[in-house]
Amino acid sequence: EIVMTQSPATLSVSPGERATLSCRASQSVSTNLAWYQQKPGQAPRLLISGASTRATGIPARFSGSGSGTEFTLTISSLQSEDFAVYYCQQYIHWPPMYTFGQGTKLEI
Amino acid sequence: EVQLVQSGGGLVQPGGSLRLSCAASGFTFNTYWMSWVRQAPGKRLEWVASIKQDGGETFYVASAKGRLTISRDNAKNSLYLQMNSPRGEDTAVYYCARENHATFDIWGQGTMVTVSS
Repeated sequence: EIVMTQSPATLSVSPGERATLSCRASQSVSTNLAWYQQKPGQAPRLLISGASTRATGIPARFSGSGSGTEFTLTISSLQSEDFAVYYCQQYIHWPPMYTFGQGTKLEI
Repeated sequence: EVQLVQSGGGLVQPGGSLRLSCAASGFTFNTYWMSWVRQAPGKRLEWVASIKQDGGETFYVASAKGRLTISRDNAKNSLYLQMNSPRGEDTAVYYCARENHATFDIWGQGTMVTVSS
């Protein structure tokens, strides 16, 4: 099983600042990496797939980068609605054995 | 509007059974893989199971094999998760999700399942 590890567990930032979230895979997943945003009491929302491709309707302030085992989600100028928990997910295996990171909570 | 609306869930006793349902609308259901993803209280998301467009292939996380069964009815645009003999560790919010190139691009609203006597 590929283990996904995110850091930091909690990131305290202010609106308008830049946030950088990290995700590490226990073995290479190439660019088969997605990012999700989850707000309290809500389902997750897909932000990024293929490590760097924004999903439909996702603002340009969200960007993803990385390949292999190291990935980054950057939010360029935080808006109030961006404070949430962010998860990474790998999807390299076939048959599927998708795994998620433990999440990074972005707080004010 | 593309959406997944879930029903079912609640309290179930260990060794009992429960079926979760997920009704799809706004997209061509029978052209997508579908999945269930769960989240135990305070824990990370965990992929549970996936099913091919025609229902002919299914895949499960190891901890769910033999107890949880994913199925679909394309005539009803519906996805199901049958939980037989659930255990305490199956307590979680369960989400149905549409797979799009192995990512989950549409999610249901989630339903809580509590396994307890």
